[in-house]
Amino acid sequence: KNEVEQSPQNLTAQEGEFITINCSYSVGISALHWLQQHPGGGIVSLFMLSSGKKKHGRLIATINIQEKHSSLHITASHPRDSAVYICAAIRSPGEKLVFGQGTRLTINP
Amino acid sequence: NAGVTQTPKFRILKIGQSMTLQCTQDMNHNYMYWYRQDPGMGLKLIYYSVGAGITDKGEVPNGYNVSRSTTEDFPLRLELAAPSQTSVYFCASTDTSRDTEAFFGQGTRLTVV
Repeated sequence: KNEVEQSPQNLTAQEGEFITINCSYSVGISALHWLQQHPGGGIVSLFMLSSGKKKHGRLIATINIQEKHSSLHITASHPRDSAVYICAAIRSPGEKLVFGQGTRLTINP
Repeated sequence: NAGVTQTPKFRILKIGQSMTLQCTQDMNHNYMYWYRQDPGMGLKLIYYSVGAGITDKGEVPNGYNVSRSTTEDFPLRLELAAPSQTSVYFCASTDTSRDTEAFFGQGTRLTVV
């Protein structure tokens, strides 16, 4: 079993829908990142969370330390949101960066 | 511009050749990472460093070496390149002590023939 599990692995939705991607982890962590990778291959960091909730535009990320769970939400989804979304946890102790397998999101017009 | 600079962007190596992928960050981040991404696959951690002078193995360290003599630089060395090392390589840095996001290099597409 992977230390960081994401669901779903693939998600297709219509433009405007509310999107949720989940990430569960089984190890102690000091922080968790949500990343976005577009088909061109570049990786962009969306959020770094150690507790609570963060919001940036249409993106919201939450983390529940007790339940070892994080979610990434996209409101009013748009075709340009189509990408692979990856959660990555910084293990504690040790500080090793452990990746989920990614969620491939496709938003259709 | 602040960020992670990774070079080269593309490289073709012959089997048995060696090369160094360079990674530099100017944000004074303590954590730096190297990982690889095979076609259609997820990211796998090769090596990481939590500060100058400290390096540790990730999931797939065989065939690679790293050093972290300064906070800014974290080069990845490939010795005796093999076709199995054909991949896209990414360098990243972050600093959890300052609640900062992770920054990624643009990637190096390496082909070993």
